[in-house]
Amino acid sequence: QVQLVQSGAEVKQPGASVMVSCKASGYTFTSSYMHWVRQAPGQGLEWMGVVNPTTGTTTYAQKFQGRVTMTRDTSTSRVYVDLSSLTFEDMAVYYCARGPGTTYSFDYWGQGTLVTVSS
Amino acid sequence: DIVMTQSPDSLAVSLGERATVNCKSSRSVLYSSTNKNCLAWYQQKPGQPPKLLVSWASTRESGVPDRFSGSGSGTDFTLTISSLQAADVAVYYCQQCYNVPPTFGQGTKVEIK
Repeated sequence: QVQLVQSGAEVKQPGASVMVSCKASGYTFTSSYMHWVRQAPGQGLEWMGVVNPTTGTTTYAQKFQGRVTMTRDTSTSRVYVDLSSLTFEDMAVYYCARGPGTTYSFDYWGQGTLVTVSS
Repeated sequence: DIVMTQSPDSLAVSLGERATVNCKSSRSVLYSSTNKNCLAWYQQKPGQPPKLLVSWASTRESGVPDRFSGSGSGTDFTLTISSLQAADVAVYYCQQCYNVPPTFGQGTKVEIK
């Protein structure tokens, strides 16, 4: 069965960077795009960007351009999101989410990784 | 960006009664070439990731109870829970996949009256 398992919670200071990983299993890793979506406490869902696991090509939401990097490692079926220059507004649960094929909906989600920004 | 607006923000329905969540997009999400709407519905329970319920506006995902149904086209969509169960208490989100960036509605909280 499809599983997306994310790395554990992180606590970072303002201005720091954070990297979250997502390990995929149960399907052919290169067959589906992988997205990152975040959710601030008590808030809605916000799409951050997508990585094509086959080519490594990325598309980012304009809001995060210049501050986010998404990568993949096909040897371990992992995708990563790196967010720099953290502010308190970046405190959220970060989810990886698989897009069926190349679509921009999300059929499987990781369990979420809480990123706390605290001084 | 396409703005997705849900209504109401919250609703309370008696067990066994119908619950209806509406979603309106600021632009059509209908692919004219395929006559399919790129619109998905998700259910999110506290402490859990969202779960895909419906894709392409009306296609129920495998394993989703048939009391959940999606309808609509163009800019106006509806998620209906035909007979509300206790397990359906959650926040429901619509999402358009027609344009990048994909965008979500603000969510509708469904509770038991």
